[in-house]
Amino acid sequence: GENVEQHPSTLSVQEGDSAVIKCTYSDSASNYFPWYKQELGKRPQLIIDIRSNVGEKKDQRIAVTLNKTAKHFSLHITETQPEDSAVYFCAAGANTGNQFYFGTGTSLTVIP
Amino acid sequence: NAGVMQNPRHLVRRRGQEARLRCSPVKGHSHVYWYRQLPEEGLKFMVYLQKENIIDESGMPKERFSAEFPKEGPSILRIQQVVRGDSAAYFCASSPSTPGEQYFGPGTRLTVT
Repeated sequence: GENVEQHPSTLSVQEGDSAVIKCTYSDSASNYFPWYKQELGKRPQLIIDIRSNVGEKKDQRIAVTLNKTAKHFSLHITETQPEDSAVYFCAAGANTGNQFYFGTGTSLTVIP
Repeated sequence: NAGVMQNPRHLVRRRGQEARLRCSPVKGHSHVYWYRQLPEEGLKFMVYLQKENIIDESGMPKERFSAEFPKEGPSILRIQQVVRGDSAAYFCASSPSTPGEQYFGPGTRLTVT
């Protein structure tokens, strides 16, 4: 089955700096890669996703890059703000499969 | 435009009792997923269902746990004879297609005393 690894597990940045979270996956059949943000005590919410037919996708301060050859994808948050503080999860899924495989999460703290 | 609904939000059970968790997906979504999240840990897949069918239950313990998604009504995750290790947040998610965006419910926090 698929194995998704996520790094780092914790990340602290100064407000205004950039944050980068990286994930690797093992199953070459995976073709859908969402990122979820979970604030303390709340539900995970999708912030951005990418499919395997594109290499990069951007939405305001958030961008995701995908390298299918190397089987890794990354989340980039620019001009971080304190409200970006949360746990971020990456995931991988495939048309041929029935589930997402989630990474173990990155706890991001943005220091004002 | 209701999202995924879960109830109860908090559930306390004594060891040996049954826990029944309910999930109503987004209207029109036919794919339902259940996840378990232990404190400060990630989301662990348990089961994936479509209406009246269990598609993938590879993440669900074979004993004491069961799930259903009937033709009418919410999806139910049932845990029989609960133990302290079952204490966790249980999230339900629904999707209009797979793989595709999963919309998560607010979760049910189960505490076993």
